[in-house]
Amino acid sequence: AQSVSQHNHHVILSEAASLELGCNYSYGGTVNLFWYVQYPGQHLQLLLKYFSGDPLVKGIKGFEAEFIKSKFSFNLRKPSVQWSDTAEYFCAVMSSNTGKLIFGQGTTLQVKP
Amino acid sequence: EAQVTQNPRYLITVTGKKLTVTCSQNMNHEYMSWYRQDPGLGLRQIYYSMNVEVTDKGDVPEGYKVSRKEKRNFPLILESPSPNQTSLYFCASSFRAGGYGYTFGSGTRLTVV
Repeated sequence: AQSVSQHNHHVILSEAASLELGCNYSYGGTVNLFWYVQYPGQHLQLLLKYFSGDPLVKGIKGFEAEFIKSKFSFNLRKPSVQWSDTAEYFCAVMSSNTGKLIFGQGTTLQVKP
Repeated sequence: EAQVTQNPRYLITVTGKKLTVTCSQNMNHEYMSWYRQDPGLGLRQIYYSMNVEVTDKGDVPEGYKVSRKEKRNFPLILESPSPNQTSLYFCASSFRAGGYGYTFGSGTRLTVV
């Protein structure tokens, strides 16, 4: 069965600290991987996606993620976080056959000014 | 503006009173999906649709119905709502499976008393 696991449920950082959020997936077929962000009280917005090619993917707002096939991982990184990055972050995998999108449980990031 | 529109944004209803949450997209997307978001559980898929008249159950379909008579609309129907369906609901659409992310609506906060 397809599944997504996010290791960190709640992360607290100070501004300018570096961020890495872990994501592992379980899926046997061709995967398409995503990171979404949900700012307080808002809907989900796409941060970045991977479906083929360069395993290092750059997204909006300075975020990037690296797809490591051998580890079934797709970790999200940012070199220097800002207070405005406070949000909930979701990793997701999509089946390229059915279009079904499965989310991890989410990581709440709190950035202290 | 390309978007997914859900209505209503907020709804309080009583147990057993049938309700419909509407979802419409203006991007000619083939795939549409409904999710519910609950604290500690992340986003769970209720139903999804790969095209007109093609729908399938997600992970938590019990107590919900959907229909896809037109490409742009994907309403979520609760025939007999119960308090455990109190949640935040999101509709989403995608061009198709593969390297296309889903675009999410603004959400519907439903309370069943």
